[in-house]
Amino acid sequence: SYELTQPLSVSVALGQTARITCGGYNIGSKNVHWYQQKPGQPPVLVIYRDTNRPSGIPERFSGSNSGNTATLTISRTQAGDEADYFCQVWDSITVVFGAGTKLTVL
Amino acid sequence: QVQLVQSGAEVKKPGASVKVSCKASGYTFTSQGISWLRQAPGQGLEWLGWISTHNGQPNYAQNLQGRVTMTTATSTSTAYMELRSLRSDDTAVYYCARTIIGGGIFLDYWGQGTLVTVSS
Repeated sequence: SYELTQPLSVSVALGQTARITCGGYNIGSKNVHWYQQKPGQPPVLVIYRDTNRPSGIPERFSGSNSGNTATLTISRTQAGDEADYFCQVWDSITVVFGAGTKLTVL
Repeated sequence: QVQLVQSGAEVKKPGASVKVSCKASGYTFTSQGISWLRQAPGQGLEWLGWISTHNGQPNYAQNLQGRVTMTTATSTSTAYMELRSLRSDDTAVYYCARTIIGGGIFLDYWGQGTLVTVSS
């Protein structure tokens, strides 16, 4: 079965750029989607099909995908960006999630 | 605006069944599918499957085959997920999510979640 690898945690200073990676074999050939989840809340889609932002998601959120790594980039990080972030792909017959990355804003 | 409103928390004994509902509004119900997912306490997201609201065809994740049934009622724009033979490790928050098909699957709107607790 297909596996996605995310770092357990990422820390970033307030106002700086955070990068959260999602590794998978030849993931560049798949569409990658990213979700933000704050404690006690359902996930929110922040990036779909590698690079697209849903309406209402700030331009500070961007995505890229190539080779074996997809990346979610959060520019000018704010305190409110502190959350868990999950990457997701579709693999043949199933939805696959990464285990999630906890973003801490210092 | 798109909204998915789920039924309330449930407490069940091992071996029992639970049925969670998900009422959609703000869009044409039959235009997008509905996925069901769960998240055990402190854990990640697990996809349980999805159902086409257009023709009612379900697609279940392999790990729950035989214990889960997904249905829809188009007259009320409501999707349902029933899980049978509950075990303690089925304790989780269960989510429904609107499902976009195209270049794979992604989930653009989520319900608020339903806590299902399985305990004797």
